[in-house]
Order: sequence, then structure tokens, then C-alpha cells
Amino acid sequence: GAVVSQHPSWVICKSGTSVKIECRSLDFQATTMFWYRQFPKQSLMLMATSNEGSKATYEQGVEKDKFLINHASLTLSTLTVTSAHPEDSSFYICSARDGSADSNEQFFGPGTRLTVL
Amino acid sequence: QQQVKQSPQSLIVQKGGISIINCAYENTAFDYFPWYQQFPGKGPALLIAIRPDVSEKKEGRFTISFNKSAKQFSLHIMDSQPGDSATYFCLYSSASKIIFGSGTRLSIRP
Repeated sequence: GAVVSQHPSWVICKSGTSVKIECRSLDFQATTMFWYRQFPKQSLMLMATSNEGSKATYEQGVEKDKFLINHASLTLSTLTVTSAHPEDSSFYICSARDGSADSNEQFFGPGTRLTVL
Repeated sequence: QQQVKQSPQSLIVQKGGISIINCAYENTAFDYFPWYQQFPGKGPALLIAIRPDVSEKKEGRFTISFNKSAKQFSLHIMDSQPGDSATYFCLYSSASKIIFGSGTRLSIRP
């Protein structure tokens, strides 16, 4: 099956610093990638949708200047949390759709646990 | 705002029993309806999915049923096992919207 990786799997940073999270599709080309945030014991909330080579589409209430998304290639999307604060501490999960498949299936990465001190 | 209502919030089932989780949606314009399984600290993994032209799909112990008139999808886990203990999410997916259900914490008692 299709595999999506995320790096790092966890990160601890100081308040005010920026953190970059990578999402890679390992064995398929992902024309569309999604970024989610999940707080403890809650569901996944879609933050933004990114299409390769174009600007990301952010969901209502998500600050695009704080959560920078880059989808520069068909196998890599990055999420940068700028000037992170403790309230940004969460589990960030990416997913990807196989551009060559006639399917809406999303393949999820293993997630990145961000802790902001 | 499109809503997806998932129930129950938590469920305890004896080993060997049937686990049933439901999701109700408002809009009929969906094109793909999957169920995901998530273990603590891990990303969701696709369990089973259905398209609107199919009323039921079975894969092993997992069955997804679609009631169009009730606008409801159900996940049935037959012969539930302790390894099935996880959080389950439905996902509403259309051309313009992606919304996860609130999740169901399933615990299988040995």
C-alpha cells in the first residue's frame, strides 16, 4: 500500500521559535496533500489543503501566516509553524492522495507530536 | 457548515461481540465514505470505505453499511477482538469538503 512518512515524529521547541514538519509520499506521487491538527482525545481538524505547485487553501480560522505550507514537489509538503506558542502544542498529521489513482483515498502519515515550552 | 455526527462517543464490547458505530451526515453530495482506525500516538489508517452506489461492503470482520434514506453510515465489527480497541473515525469526503467524525473510542473486554 501507499506509504506516507513524516519527519520529525516528535519535536520540542521553545516559545517563539519556528518548527518545520515534512510530509513525504514514499511510493506514489501526491498531487494533493492535507494537513490536520489533533488535540488529545479529539478528532482530526483539517487545517489546509495543498496542491503541488500552487498556494495552499486554508480552512476557516487557520492563520496562513502562522502555518506556512509548501508543496514544492509531488512527493513533499512541509508545514512550518512560525513563532510557536504553547497553544500550538498538538499532534500534526499529514495525508496525501495518489494523483494517478481514480480514488479519493487519503493515506495518512504517522503524525508529529509538537510540544512548545 | 456541513456536519457529520458520529455515535457513540465510547463503546465497550465483550470479546467476540459485535461493535457498531454510526455516522450521520446532512448533505447527499458525498463521493467517498471511509472509516479510519487510529491507535494512540499514531496516524489514522484506512479500515474500509464505500462509494454512494453501494449499500454494503464487507471485508473480513468489518462491514460498512449505507442507509441512504436515513443519511447514515454504519461500521460493524464482527467477532470483536482486544486488538480492535482503538478510536474509529468516519470521514465525509466530497469535492469541496473533508470532515472527520468526532470519533468513537472502542474498548474490547477480554
